[in-house]
Amino acid sequence: GAGVSQSPSNKVTEKGKDVELRCDPISGHTALYWYRQSLGQGLEFLIYFQGNSAPDKSGLPSDRFSAERTGGSVSTLTIQRTQQEDSAVYLCASSQRTSGGPLSYEQYFGPGTRLTVT
Amino acid sequence: RKEVEQDPGPFNVPEGATVAFNCTYSNSASQSFFWYRQDCRKEPKLLMSVYSSGNEDGRFTAQLNRASQYISLLIRDSKLSDSATYLCAVNRGWGGKLIFGQGTELSVKP
Repeated sequence: GAGVSQSPSNKVTEKGKDVELRCDPISGHTALYWYRQSLGQGLEFLIYFQGNSAPDKSGLPSDRFSAERTGGSVSTLTIQRTQQEDSAVYLCASSQRTSGGPLSYEQYFGPGTRLTVT
Repeated sequence: RKEVEQDPGPFNVPEGATVAFNCTYSNSASQSFFWYRQDCRKEPKLLMSVYSSGNEDGRFTAQLNRASQYISLLIRDSKLSDSATYLCAVNRGWGGKLIFGQGTELSVKP
């Protein structure tokens, strides 16, 4: 079946502009995660959504970052007033759920959006 | 100290060799553990999940040692196609965010 999809695959923006990154999880997966990967920081958690529960926003680095998930499916990560340090690959992952059998916790990643802030 | 730490790389091995990576974690409440493989400029792909003492899949074996708080990944009969970065990931509970190690780079040479 189809995997996690993300768009755009690449985004170049000027410092100070806002950007929106989109993630479409695997069909039927109720949990959705955002991570980012940069050279100096490795792969770090940003936020996750599970069904109708309040999202875990504990990884968002500043209030310039926000995310929403509409209809329990597609998610959008928004970065306002981008800074050069926001340059990274933003990865989205999904899993069947966050409770239940072990296989349901496995997270599958999309191809990522490479963000470059100039 | 990082919550999840991996062997520093790179590992350069000849084809056919056996190679092992270790990953230590500091949170004793961690419940589930994963190995991902990441090729250059690609997304991480799930290689193995480790929930009990270990897991085996063909040439790959993952083991969990809760007492010493580490997991390992063993690759037997290395192939050129195994060249990649291997990421260890730990889940503090059941489900939720993953904490990743920095990754270990493997290069298999002919």
